Amino acid sequence: DGGITQSPKYLFRKEGQNVTLSCEQNLNHDAMYWYRQDPGQGLRLIYYSQIVNDFQKGDIAEGYSVSREKKESFPLTVTSAQKNPTAFYLCASSILEAGWNGELFFGEGSRLTVL
Amino acid sequence: GQSLEQPSEVTAVEGAIVQINCTYQTSGFYGLSWYQQHDGGAPTFLSYNALDGLEETGRFSSFLSRSDSYGYLLLQELQMKDSASYFCAARRNNNDMRFGAGTRLTVKP
Repeated sequence: DGGITQSPKYLFRKEGQNVTLSCEQNLNHDAMYWYRQDPGQGLRLIYYSQIVNDFQKGDIAEGYSVSREKKESFPLTVTSAQKNPTAFYLCASSILEAGWNGELFFGEGSRLTVL
Repeated sequence: GQSLEQPSEVTAVEGAIVQINCTYQTSGFYGLSWYQQHDGGAPTFLSYNALDGLEETGRFSSFLSRSDSYGYLLLQELQMKDSASYFCAARRNNNDMRFGAGTRLTVKP
């Protein structure tokens, strides 16, 4: 079945460590997104990418990095520079066509806890 | 800057109708989407409005007024399973999506 796969589902990290969250899609979507969600809060955009080898910062990109070497993959690295990384991270994808209905397809999320 | 405002909580009873409002201030605004998220789950898409007016999808309808920078999600014949958080999201003309803080809907028997 087509969809978006995020891994790992749960991740624990010690302070000072970098971690990479995986996001893979087989929907042949051009655009991919990373959002952060804190308890009881909305989704805040970290980075998004509309094409391979190109990406743009969202509202809270500091302390994060991404790459888009393949259309299917958009990994997110949470660096040690991110001061409060404990959160729920959601990856999403979408088509990029003139008739796009604004729908994002989300993965099941990765919950990162810093110990 | 970008902002979307929606009420933090709404409570209603089974079978009732509830309206969740969203006002936005977004440069390059293109359209307004609505998502549902159950606790611990991923958001799922409900509806989208690019033009003024009402879009109906089963029990859910969504409305947009671009001149008022305002939209709402209308849920009819509420069911217990509708208890969830609902987010409005603004699509911008550069194809990014910015979300509101969400409205937690509690449906009571």
